[in-house]
Amino acid sequence: DAGVTQSPTHLIKTRGQQVTLRCSPKSGHDTVSWYQQALGQGPQFIFQYYEEEERQRGNFPDRFSGHQFPNYSSELNVNALLLGDSALYLCASSLTGDNNEQFFGPGTRLTVL
Amino acid sequence: RKEVEQDPGPFNVPEGATVAFNCTYSNSASQSFFWYRQDCRKEPKLLMSVYSSGNEDGRFTAQLNRASQYISLLIRDSKLSDSATYLCVVNRNNAGNMLTFGGGTRLMVKP
Repeated sequence: DAGVTQSPTHLIKTRGQQVTLRCSPKSGHDTVSWYQQALGQGPQFIFQYYEEEERQRGNFPDRFSGHQFPNYSSELNVNALLLGDSALYLCASSLTGDNNEQFFGPGTRLTVL
Repeated sequence: RKEVEQDPGPFNVPEGATVAFNCTYSNSASQSFFWYRQDCRKEPKLLMSVYSSGNEDGRFTAQLNRASQYISLLIRDSKLSDSATYLCVVNRNNAGNMLTFGGGTRLMVKP
């Protein structure tokens, strides 16, 4: 049973560019959450998708957007990249419900130059 | 003020030592509490949930004090393999399973 997978593993972009990160949830999971983890910090919640809609959103600007597909996989898009967007982007999947465990993928490390 | 606060450490302890981590949270609406472990350059993984009655899993004991909004993790008989960052996490269940992480406490266990 494959766990949460993310692609790509690493990515280097320049300021102003756009990036798309991808996530496939653990088999049987229907909810995907995205987190940003800056170096030396804990992960910060970006948003959560369920039934192809954004259900919750953290304190991130509109440059951060996402999508969930009918097969529950998800994308995170970031426009107009800033140096401060350099971070590890983590995807977590779970079954819908308030207290179900979230399983994290290995993350995509984004570097913005 | 951060919603979840932890001492960043590092805590440098010898093998076999007992070490305790503390965490405070500011949102009294928080409903669920967890400790996650994160190895260097890896993803966080759930270590244990934390209940008001306290819970134990082998060498690990977690405690929650709702009145003081305080969470603790005790590790007994530290092993080299316990070296990692320990993340205190709260979940305001009325916010649809959105996890709020502390900044993490780094533990280094030395021979």
